[in-house]
Amino acid sequence: DAGVTQSPTHLIKTRGQQVTLRCSPKSGHDTVSWYQQALGQGPQFIFQYYEEEERQRGNFPDRFSGHQFPNYSSELNVNALLLGDSALYLCASSLSQGGYGYTFGSGTRLTVV
Amino acid sequence: GQQLNQSPQSMFIQEGEDVSMNCTSSSIFNTWLWYKQDPGEGPVLLIALYKAGELTSNGRLTAQFGITRKDSFLNISASIPSDVGIYFCAGRSGSARQLTFGSGTQLTVLP
Repeated sequence: DAGVTQSPTHLIKTRGQQVTLRCSPKSGHDTVSWYQQALGQGPQFIFQYYEEEERQRGNFPDRFSGHQFPNYSSELNVNALLLGDSALYLCASSLSQGGYGYTFGSGTRLTVV
Repeated sequence: GQQLNQSPQSMFIQEGEDVSMNCTSSSIFNTWLWYKQDPGEGPVLLIALYKAGELTSNGRLTAQFGITRKDSFLNISASIPSDVGIYFCAGRSGSARQLTFGSGTQLTVLP
């Protein structure tokens, strides 16, 4: 049973560029959440997608956007990258009607230079 | 916004010792979760707590949901080398869909 799959695992981008990160949820899960984890910090909630709609959003600027596809997979897009966007980006999937069984992927390490 | 204060920030203990860490919040949570994160991996759920006062065990791990709903602790008994990692508390409140995480406790187990 595959867990949450994220790609790519590592990425280096230049300031001002745009990046797209991808996530395939755990089999049977229909909800995807994205978190940003800066070095030495706990994960911070970016947004959550369910039924292809953004259901809730954390305190992140509009440069951060997302999408969920009919197969429940999701993308996180970040425009106009800043040095401060360097972080581990985690995807977590869950079942909308199933308590708080969030399953996290291993993340994408984004470095902005 | 909500903040979780997790302590201690780091711990160095001898193998076989017991460990305790805790989280406090400025506001009420109705769910507390404890996660462990190994290097290069995402957080893995250890214990979930859903009711004030609840005490739950998972092997050598025990966690409690504080009566005030503003705190939680995690105990690890008889630590072993594979307990090394970063432990995070996380809470969820009201109708919020997101988890609020603490800043983590880095645990090192010395042989």
